[in-house]
Order: sequence, then structure tokens, then C-alpha cells
Amino acid sequence: EAGVTQFPSHSVIEKGQTVTLRCDPISGHDNLYWYRRVMGKEIKFLLHFVKESKQDESGMPNNRFLAERTGGTYSTLKVQPAELEDSGVYFCASSQAQLRDGYTFGSGTRLTVV
Amino acid sequence: AQSVAQPEDQVNVAEGNPLTVKCTYSVSGNPYLFWYVQYPNRGLQFLLKYITGDNLVKGSYGFEAEFNKSQTSFHLKKPSALVSDSALYFCAVRGGAGSYQLTFGKGTKLSVIP
Repeated sequence: EAGVTQFPSHSVIEKGQTVTLRCDPISGHDNLYWYRRVMGKEIKFLLHFVKESKQDESGMPNNRFLAERTGGTYSTLKVQPAELEDSGVYFCASSQAQLRDGYTFGSGTRLTVV
Repeated sequence: AQSVAQPEDQVNVAEGNPLTVKCTYSVSGNPYLFWYVQYPNRGLQFLLKYITGDNLVKGSYGFEAEFNKSQTSFHLKKPSALVSDSALYFCAVRGGAGSYQLTFGKGTKLSVIP
């Protein structure tokens, strides 16, 4: 089966610009998650979709971040306007229905804000 | 709140020697514990998980981990290290009623020396 696909793999933008990250989960996985790792720190949870609904967005840092999952398939994460501290690696993951199931992570998008 | 500690930023081991990457956790309720590995320029790859059952869990690439409830530890082990095992290793925990969030440790860089 195809894995979790993220696009782009790298993005370099200037402070104040907008960037949109995309994630295509494994087909049939209702659960989709966004995580990020900033400057060599821990990987932090951002939010969790179940199909098209936001189940938990407690990790979203502020209102400059907007995540969507229209139709319950792929998801986008938009940062507008980007700040320097947003630089890091953004990971997407998906899983099947049960809590005991593992996650499958994508390769990540490395975002650099200059 | 749940947390994960990986006390070693870096572990160096000679090829052929046994390796251990340490992880301790704090969570309310029964923990679901995971190990992931990140190779250079790659995404997070699932290694193994503990949900219930035997305390010794076997995973991919010859890795195993031992769940120790009294010590709240989940150390990753391999009897004989390979140079190709050199990577960044992350321990993660999911716990709490109905929580889908993974909490990660800071990661441990494993270097296997030929």
C-alpha cells in the first residue's frame, strides 16, 4: 500500500509570506494527524482529524495556523503569515480506527522561514 | 500530563556490540508505548509498540524493547548493532482515556562505529 505522502519536501519562504503544506494519508485511514519538530526539540502534536472533522486541535500554536481536511481525504496546513519560529519539520501521520493501532508517518516537510 | 524522557542525546556503540537506547515515561492510565526511527532525510518509521501482554516486545530490524511498569521504562535494545542502525530514535507514549495524541521524547542519536 502507498504510504503517507507529504508535499513539498522542503520549503523556504520569507517572514510574512504564506505557505501551504499538504498531506495525503493512507487510503482508508480515517485518522490524520499533524506534528512538528522545531529546532531539534521534541516532536509536538498539532492536531487530529477524524475524517473531515477536527477531533483535537489543542496543539495548534496560534491562529496563524489553519488546517483543513475537506472531504476527509487529504489535508492541508496553512501558515499565514509565517514567522521565523515556525521553521522546523512538519510531519503528517495517519492511522486506522483503534487506539491500539500504530501511526504511519510521512517523510515530513522541512519549512525554513528566513 | 504525559511525558517521555530520553536521557541520552547520543549513544555510541561499536558494530557487533549490544545497544540500548533508554526511555522512561509518565502517563495516567495504561500506556501505549512506541519506538520510531528516523534515518537521514527520511520520515519517522515505526519500529515496535507495547499495548498489552508480554513485557518484551519484538519489532522491526531485530530491535526489541522491554516494558517495565515499576520503573516506567521502555528501553530499546538490539543484541548486535549494525552500522546501518545509525539514526535518530524516538520514544513515544499515548495514554489517557481516549487520547490519540502521541507524546515524544527529544530523540537519541545512535552512532554505530565500524
